[in-house]
Amino acid sequence: ETGVTQTPRHLVMGMTNKKSLKCEQHLGHNAMYWYKQSAKKPLELMFVYNFKEQTENNSVPSRFSPECPNSSHLFLHLHTLQPEDSALYLCASSQEGDSPLHFGNGTRLTVT
Amino acid sequence: GEDVEQSLFLSVREGDSSVINCTYTDSSSTYLYWYKQEPGAGLQLLTYIFSNMDMKQDQRLTVLLNKKDKHLSLRIADTQTGDSAIYFCAESPDGSGNTGKLIFGQGTTLQVKP
Repeated sequence: ETGVTQTPRHLVMGMTNKKSLKCEQHLGHNAMYWYKQSAKKPLELMFVYNFKEQTENNSVPSRFSPECPNSSHLFLHLHTLQPEDSALYLCASSQEGDSPLHFGNGTRLTVT
Repeated sequence: GEDVEQSLFLSVREGDSSVINCTYTDSSSTYLYWYKQEPGAGLQLLTYIFSNMDMKQDQRLTVLLNKKDKHLSLRIADTQTGDSAIYFCAESPDGSGNTGKLIFGQGTTLQVKP
């Protein structure tokens, strides 16, 4: 079982749909993150949760809504997305403090 | 603002050494990282170096840090076809210890020819 698991691996949705991305970590970490990876752009940090509390929202549009019910699970709720939101969405976890990020394999999102 | 720069592409022959370079701007970065991304996968942590070190070796990987020039490099010895991937350099910009707020480079695509 991998340390950070993301589902689904691929998602195609229309602009009026509502969907959710799920992330689960089995590493006992207490911080979780959403990153966005778009073609030809560096990875962009979206949200940070420490001990289930959101500590960072990197100016992300409200059509992206994160949820962290406990330290092991993280969701990203999506609604009324735009085609430019098509990207690879990566979840990561770490121990708070000086600890590297461990990434999941990502969800490849296509907005039509 | 913080910025991390990498060359976009490197091609080497199998068995040669690969050197991937990176420059960063934030001198207060505590740690600097190298991640590897294979097609269809997430980022895999390869190695990282604390900012008070100038070298770290881990099997075929050697990381060199020149803090004065804000230059980081990753050397892969005896490069194999399985090393073909995108390699990302990243810094933790504010030295606060919150390593989740990483600034990534655009990635260097390493192509290994048989």
